[in-house]
Amino acid sequence: EDQVTQSPEALRLQEGESSSLNCSYTVSGLRGLFWYRQDPGKGPEFLFTLYSAGEEKEKERLKATLTKKESFLHITAPKPEDSATYLCAVLKGAGGTSYGKLTFGQGTILTVHP
Amino acid sequence: EAQVTQNPRYLITVTGKKLTVTCSQNMNHEYMSWYRQDPGLGLRQIYYSMNVEVTDKGDVPEGYKVSRKEKRNFPLILESPSPNQTSLYFCASRWGAKDTQYFGPGTRLTVL
Repeated sequence: EDQVTQSPEALRLQEGESSSLNCSYTVSGLRGLFWYRQDPGKGPEFLFTLYSAGEEKEKERLKATLTKKESFLHITAPKPEDSATYLCAVLKGAGGTSYGKLTFGQGTILTVHP
Repeated sequence: EAQVTQNPRYLITVTGKKLTVTCSQNMNHEYMSWYRQDPGLGLRQIYYSMNVEVTDKGDVPEGYKVSRKEKRNFPLILESPSPNQTSLYFCASRWGAKDTQYFGPGTRLTVL
C-alpha cells in the first residue's frame, strides 16, 4: 500500500533557527514529489516539484531535496511569516487506474516565533 | 487571472438533502480533482478526471459523484449527504499528470 509519512507532526522554531521537515514515502513507480504550503482555512499553495533522486530546488528560505526514499524541506533562518502547514504529495507511476493519483502526507505544522 | 473557483464557500445542510459543489478552472487544464481534508487524516482524494468524460475514483469515493461534461467544470455531487461528510473540500486542477496542481479556496461543508 502506498504511504506518505511526514515528520515531525509539529515543529516550533525561533526566528532564525534553521531546521528540516521530512517526507518519507513507499510508492511504486514514483513519478514526482510535490511540496505545498497551506495557511489555515486556505487551499494548498504549490512550492516545489522534484522528479528524481538527487534533485534539489530552492526558493527564498526553502530548499527541497529528494532521495529514493524520502524528501526534505530545509528552512534556513525562518521568519514568522513562514508559519504554515507544509504538505508533501507523491505521484504514482502511469498505468491502470492509478495514473494521475496524488497521495498526500498529513503535513507538518510549522510555527516560527519572533 | 489564472484560478480555480469553488462555490459555495460555506454550506450548512441537513442529512439526505442533495447538494452540488461547483468547481471551475480557467487554465484549460486536463486534470481536475476533488479532495476532502479532515483533522488528523490530511488531504484525501475523492475523485479525479483526466479529461472530459474521463473520471476515476480516488481514495474515498463512497457517497460522492462527479461529472466532467466540459473541460473547465468538475462539479462534486452528494446525492444523500450524511454527517460523516462534514469536511473541508478542495477542488484542484493541473495541465498534465506531472504538472503543478492549483487548488481552489475550499468549501466548508457541514451536514447536520
